Amino acid sequence: GAVVSQHPSWVICKSGTSVKIECRSLDFQATTMFWYRQFPKQSLMLMATSNEGSKATYEQGVEKDKFLINHASLTLSTLTVTSAHPEDSSFYICSARETEPYNEQFFGPGTRLTVL
Amino acid sequence: GQNIDQPTEMTATEGAIVQINCTYQTSGFNGLFWYQQHAGEAPTFLSYNVLDGLEEKGRFSSFLSRSKGYSYLLLKELQMKDSASYLCAALDSNYQLIWGAGTKLIIKP
Repeated sequence: GAVVSQHPSWVICKSGTSVKIECRSLDFQATTMFWYRQFPKQSLMLMATSNEGSKATYEQGVEKDKFLINHASLTLSTLTVTSAHPEDSSFYICSARETEPYNEQFFGPGTRLTVL
Repeated sequence: GQNIDQPTEMTATEGAIVQINCTYQTSGFNGLFWYQQHAGEAPTFLSYNVLDGLEEKGRFSSFLSRSKGYSYLLLKELQMKDSASYLCAALDSNYQLIWGAGTKLIIKP
């Protein structure tokens, strides 16, 4: 199957700093990428859907000014957690979907963010 | 609204068979996915059903009944490494995945 990478795999930062997470589709073009967050022992929670070249669509309750998403190319989307706080500590996972077929969605390995 | 239901936790014995059920209600339907997720890792794809019936893939099989809004994942010859969470997800009319909360499967020797 197709490969999606995420960088970094884990990051520890101080409260108040910003953290950028990259999501890349390595061998296919992803017109749509999804960003999920998962707290311990909880299910995946969709944060936002990003389409290449347009603004991301955020799920209810997700602050778009805090979680900045940029999908500038067909192979790269970035999530920036601005002014991170300890409650933002979580496992962030991206997934990418090819132009067709729409039923294929591939996950990155995830990024574990710890905010001190 | 859209909803996916699956049991929170199940326990089974090594070598046995276990069936994890999932019911769904979505706005439109374009298929049903099962993913496996080990603790601390991203989900990995197991199966995709869009037509009624059983799809078999090695020790894992997945079944779908569109009229009943029902699917199950069947795991045979359970191994300790199968201990994980199993996520059911339905693809709605907008091709968005609607996720269940996951079923934590505990395998005992």
